[in-house]
Amino acid sequence: ETGVTQTPRHLVMGMTNKKSLKCEQHLGHNAMYWYKQSAKKPLELMFVYNFKEQTENNSVPSRFSPECPNSSHLFLHLHTLQPEDSALYLCASSQLLAKSSYEQYFGPGTRLTVT
Amino acid sequence: GNSVTQMEGPVTLSEEAFLTINCTYTATGYPSLFWYVQYPGEGLQLLLKATKADDKGSNKGFEATYRKETTSFHLEKGSVQVSDSAVYFCALSIRNAGGTSYGKLTFGQGTILTVHP
Repeated sequence: ETGVTQTPRHLVMGMTNKKSLKCEQHLGHNAMYWYKQSAKKPLELMFVYNFKEQTENNSVPSRFSPECPNSSHLFLHLHTLQPEDSALYLCASSQLLAKSSYEQYFGPGTRLTVT
Repeated sequence: GNSVTQMEGPVTLSEEAFLTINCTYTATGYPSLFWYVQYPGEGLQLLLKATKADDKGSNKGFEATYRKETTSFHLEKGSVQVSDSAVYFCALSIRNAGGTSYGKLTFGQGTILTVHP
């Protein structure tokens, strides 16, 4: 399997549930990202992991908890979400080395609906 | 700070028409510029890129030229197809003087393109 994969592709959860989104990159990259894409709003960067270390948290509520166990895997743990958290959640990866490729490659996303 | 501004959409064209989607940016440092495309129900795909002034990125008939003097990176295609219907995002990343990316992309708001037969 190549590129960036995300599971599940669709998720419906209640506000009291706990679920996790999974992302895996097969590109040998050293940085991974979570984005939120809502209708009518710009793409929002949520978290950045560089060499498994979280280097950015863009004021994301604590009900979203990221985990990066190694440079190929990234999780987003969800608990007690709100209906306004319904969105497409995109994972991306890139290679952050001097003079190497630095564009980000995206997975297909998880469409999350909070009921 | 860094920002990207795209032309307002949606853009509706007939098949074989000429496409231009304008993109301008403000940036500190040395920006690299990208166009991404998002087809319905999918994630973003890198369409083309340019890493320095006067570079032209091209792919699948799309082109964009990095214009430092006008801080622009307009996307063009000479003859669009129905299959080009998608959302197009202009984006930039900043490299420091040593060429290392800071790892963040700044995106424009996206432009919806619809092509009719």
